[in-house]
Amino acid sequence: KAGVTQTPRYLIKTRGQQVTLSCSPISGHRSVSWYQQTPGQGLQFLFEYFSETQRNKGNFPGRFSGRQFSNSRSEMNVSTLELGDSALYLCASSAQGGANEKLFFGSGTQLSVL
Amino acid sequence: QQQVKQSPQSLIVQKGGISIINCAYENTAFDYFPWYQQFPGKGPALLIAIRPDVSEKKEGRFTISFNKSAKQFSLHIMDSQPGDSATYFCAGGGGFKTIFGAGTRLFVKA
Repeated sequence: KAGVTQTPRYLIKTRGQQVTLSCSPISGHRSVSWYQQTPGQGLQFLFEYFSETQRNKGNFPGRFSGRQFSNSRSEMNVSTLELGDSALYLCASSAQGGANEKLFFGSGTQLSVL
Repeated sequence: QQQVKQSPQSLIVQKGGISIINCAYENTAFDYFPWYQQFPGKGPALLIAIRPDVSEKKEGRFTISFNKSAKQFSLHIMDSQPGDSATYFCAGGGGFKTIFGAGTRLFVKA
């Protein structure tokens, strides 16, 4: 099976712009979670989608949003970018998102905001 | 109550030595404790995991020791190799409920 695929790998944006990141989960996985990783803050949970519905949300401002399509692919959008949004954004999939399931991560999108 | 505390932040070990990373959790509802390994430029990948009804789990050179009464668990890497140099995350729970520790950067000197 192909792994979790994230595109693009790198992005450079300027403050105020918006950005869309894409994630294709492992075939058959219905749960997709997004994480922000920074050197100082570790892995911060953004949100999780299951069957096109946001099921859980972390403590991030409304500028961060996402969606999931019927084929389980997911997109994450950040509007009005700020310098502090520079980070590695990771997508992870699991079969059902259940409490004992392991996560399969993509390689991430490295976002730099100038 | 949701936190998973991980130490040390960074660790330098000689080749052939034992690397030990410790974690403590608060949420007694966790019943799955995974460790993830992350290399530069890659996403984390599951290394080994344990359930709280087991006190130890070993896979090759990697061992998890689990102390339910103390709410602590640790990762031991025996015969550490330069290829083990990575960031390690402990966690409590699974799926979208995974709560990660802050991570430990391990460097194994050749």
